[in-house]
Amino acid sequence: TQLLEQSPQFLSIQEGENLTVYCNSSSVFSSLQWYRQEPGEGPVLLVTVVTGGEVKKLKRLTFQFGDARKDSSLHITAAQPGDTGLYLCAGRTITQGGSEKLVFGKGTKLTVNP
Amino acid sequence: EAGVTQSPTHLIKTRGQQATLRCSPISGHTSVYWYQQALGLGLQFLLWYDEGEERNRGNFPPRFSGRQFPNYSSELNVNALELEDSALYLCASSSMVLASYWYNEQFFGPGTRLTVL
Repeated sequence: TQLLEQSPQFLSIQEGENLTVYCNSSSVFSSLQWYRQEPGEGPVLLVTVVTGGEVKKLKRLTFQFGDARKDSSLHITAAQPGDTGLYLCAGRTITQGGSEKLVFGKGTKLTVNP
Repeated sequence: EAGVTQSPTHLIKTRGQQATLRCSPISGHTSVYWYQQALGLGLQFLLWYDEGEERNRGNFPPRFSGRQFPNYSSELNVNALELEDSALYLCASSSMVLASYWYNEQFFGPGTRLTVL
C-alpha cells in the first residue's frame, strides 16, 4: 500500500527558477524526513520535521510540515544544476505490532538545466 | 566520522543462486535497516535489526533474510534469486534525536547494486 504520494513525479526547470514539490498522505506521521538521492548512490538526509506547521530552512531549501502532520512540501529558491536529483520524502508511522516504520514516497526526479 | 558502508558495490548473480550483502553502521548506531529500491517501485522496507534482534519485517518472502552481529554490522541474504530481485539494496543505520520528543533519523549507505541474470 502506497501511503505517501509525491508530486510531481518529474520536474525539469531552468537554472534560477523556483519550484515546489509535495508529499501527501491520508495518514498522520510522527515525523517526516526529506532525502536527496543521486544516481547510483544512497539517499542523503536533508531534514527532519517533527511538529505540525513546522518550517525549516536549509540555505535555498524550505521545508514545511502540514498542520495535521499528513503532508509536507519542499520549496527550492533559485534552483541550481547541483540541485538535480531524486527528492524522497519519508514518513514515520507506527505499525500494527507497535513498532516504527519509515515509509517512503516514490520521489520527485528534479533536473535543473544550466 | 565514517558513514554507513556497504559491500560489495556491485553483485552479479544468476537465477537460483544466493546473494549475501553486507552493511556496517555508523559507529554508535545499534539499528540497521535494509531496503530494496527497484526501478519504478521506490524504496521498499525489507528488515530492521536492533541490538542483534529482528524487530520488523517488510512484505517480502522468507528467502529474504538477514542477521545482525554483536558489532552491529549486518548481512542480508537472498536465496533462490529471481530476475525481479535485481535492484539497489540500501542499508541505513539510525540514531535517536531529541527535539520536542525523541525521533529517529536514518542515514543511508551507498547501496549494493544486485543484478540477477
